[in-house]
Amino acid sequence: ETGVTQSPTHLIKTRGQQVTLRCSSQSGHNTVSWYQQALGQGPQFIFQYYREEENGRGNFPPRFSGLQFPNYSSELNVNALELDDSALYLCASSLGGGARSGANVLTFGAGSRLTVL
Amino acid sequence: AQSVSQHNHHVILSEAASLELGCNYSYGGTVNLFWYVQYPGQHLQLLLKYFSGDPLVKGIKGFEAEFIKSKFSFNLRKPSVQWSDTAEYFCAVNAPGGSYIPTFGRGTSLIVHP
Repeated sequence: ETGVTQSPTHLIKTRGQQVTLRCSSQSGHNTVSWYQQALGQGPQFIFQYYREEENGRGNFPPRFSGLQFPNYSSELNVNALELDDSALYLCASSLGGGARSGANVLTFGAGSRLTVL
Repeated sequence: AQSVSQHNHHVILSEAASLELGCNYSYGGTVNLFWYVQYPGQHLQLLLKYFSGDPLVKGIKGFEAEFIKSKFSFNLRKPSVQWSDTAEYFCAVNAPGGSYIPTFGRGTSLIVHP
């Protein structure tokens, strides 16, 4: 089975620019979650998509937005980049959109490291 | 909302030493509990999980964790660490109150000297 793949692996942007990060979920998984991991911190939940709908959102401003496509792949878009947006952005896929057993055992990608100058 | 505390941010051990990493969460209801591990240069991956039943759960590579409901804790243990256990360890909790979305702790960096 294929794992979670993310692109690009590294990118550099300047303040005010916009960025799009992409994620292909593991085969058979229908739910995608996005996390932001700052240096020395644990992953912070941004949002989750299930059946192409946002299924939960963390404490991130509206300039963080996302999409899920019919093939369960996903995009994270960040507008008006700020210096504090510099972080590793992790995509994780899972099976199920809320059922207790097995759901939200996350399979992570390698991440996209964003640097904002 | 749930939160997770990992009290040891950096742990340094010699091979064969015993390991215990602390994890406490704040949520009064039913929870699912996880430990994830990130080896150098690799993705975050699941080490073990607790959903229900026996509060002592066993994971990969000889790790185990014990859920103590009265203490809101889910500490990770290994009797004898190896150099290959050098990694970042993250405790996570989710709860049925939302969408079962895991909340992660800050992480513990473990270095094992050969």
